[in-house]
Amino acid sequence: RKEVEQDPGPFNVPEGATVAFNCTYSNSASQSFFWYRQDCRKEPKLLMSVYSSGNEDGRFTAQLNRASQYISLLIRDSKLSDSATYLCAVNLGTGGFKTIFGAGTRLFVKA
Amino acid sequence: EPEVTQTPSHQVTQMGQEVILRCVPISNHLYFYWYRQILGQKVEFLVSFYNNEISEKSEIFDDQFSVERPDGSNFTLKIRSTKLEDSAMYFCASSEAETNYGYTFGSGTRLTVV
Repeated sequence: RKEVEQDPGPFNVPEGATVAFNCTYSNSASQSFFWYRQDCRKEPKLLMSVYSSGNEDGRFTAQLNRASQYISLLIRDSKLSDSATYLCAVNLGTGGFKTIFGAGTRLFVKA
Repeated sequence: EPEVTQTPSHQVTQMGQEVILRCVPISNHLYFYWYRQILGQKVEFLVSFYNNEISEKSEIFDDQFSVERPDGSNFTLKIRSTKLEDSAMYFCASSEAETNYGYTFGSGTRLTVV
């Protein structure tokens, strides 16, 4: 099983739609979880951390399910500018400070 | 907003040559990382660095790779004898703490080995 696994997509949605991405991780001892956004040929940019209680930042909501070892990202009222690749990232919490990234889910938002 | 700065943005080198990729992390960050991304593939962990030593490294980070923090600001990745398969985007990142904070990435160095 891959350490961090995501559906590669692509997800093609119209403007204004709600879209959800899931990500699963294999190491039950993982401690910290994040969603990043990556535009084509650019660096990953931190979108939000994911907390056990769930957290929201504007149109974006992230959830963590430790029992099932998955995290999710919900985007409401999609904008054209949301088109990007969304990377799930998991910090293993080991002494080595290592964060593993999923391969990403591509989102295309169309007018 | 504080930035991680990487130079050069693009480097072309001949196979077998040594390259040094440079990074200036955010000034109050204590944890530093190098990742690479081969075109069309995932972002892969290479190495983490804290308190002037390597904390963890991946299988990719073999004897051909080394990192250094030569002064209080720069963080470098050296590849001693480049191979064609080293062609990738190399991202430097830094963070305030080891687990609960996300990373700030630099804009990357595109390395092309010919």
